[in-house]
Amino acid sequence: GQQLNQSPQSMFIQEGEDVSMNCTSSSIFNTWLWYKQDPGEGPVLLIALYKAGELTSNGRLTAQFGITRKDSFLNISASIPSDVGIYFCAGHGQGGSEKLVFGKGTKLTVNP
Amino acid sequence: DSGVTQTPKHLITATGQRVTLRCSPRSGDLSVYWYQQSLDQGLQFLIQYYNGEERAKGNILERFSAQQFPDLHSELNLSSLELGDSALYFCASSGPNRVTEAFFGQGTRLTVV
Repeated sequence: GQQLNQSPQSMFIQEGEDVSMNCTSSSIFNTWLWYKQDPGEGPVLLIALYKAGELTSNGRLTAQFGITRKDSFLNISASIPSDVGIYFCAGHGQGGSEKLVFGKGTKLTVNP
Repeated sequence: DSGVTQTPKHLITATGQRVTLRCSPRSGDLSVYWYQQSLDQGLQFLIQYYNGEERAKGNILERFSAQQFPDLHSELNLSSLELGDSALYFCASSGPNRVTEAFFGQGTRLTVV
């Protein structure tokens, strides 16, 4: 089945540092979505990508849809304490599949 | 506020029991997804409905079932509950196009004792 491999599993950084995390798949995805989840809350959509090569920003967040359609990355610049949480990549695969598949998440800790 | 409403927020029940979780999608959204998230785990896709019809199925146990009603709200039924079913259950909805952004509700925390 379609699977998303997300890395790293966790990150510990200092406030002000930039962060990069990525997601890869062995199969092609038609969309890539990045979510952030705070403890006990539902995931919140950060960025949606629909075209191969697309680079999209949302404030300090930037995400790209890989040219091969098998990967995506999310960058956070100048991290702040409220960036703490779990970041998930997700995507819709090919072949008419409407299943929205999630990676296992990257847990981000920001030290003030 | 994502516009997706899930009830109840918390549910505590005994093993062997049956519960129903409810989801109201965002206005205008036709797709509803259900996910299970166990402690410190990722989001496991259970099932998806589009305009009342089942569209995709994930690792949903036979003890679990779901449906989407004509008014587009959805219910997830969990029966013969086991301790391992304790988890956060999320509903998400997405718009008229089948493949688009999905917005999540706050979840229902189910505790089976």
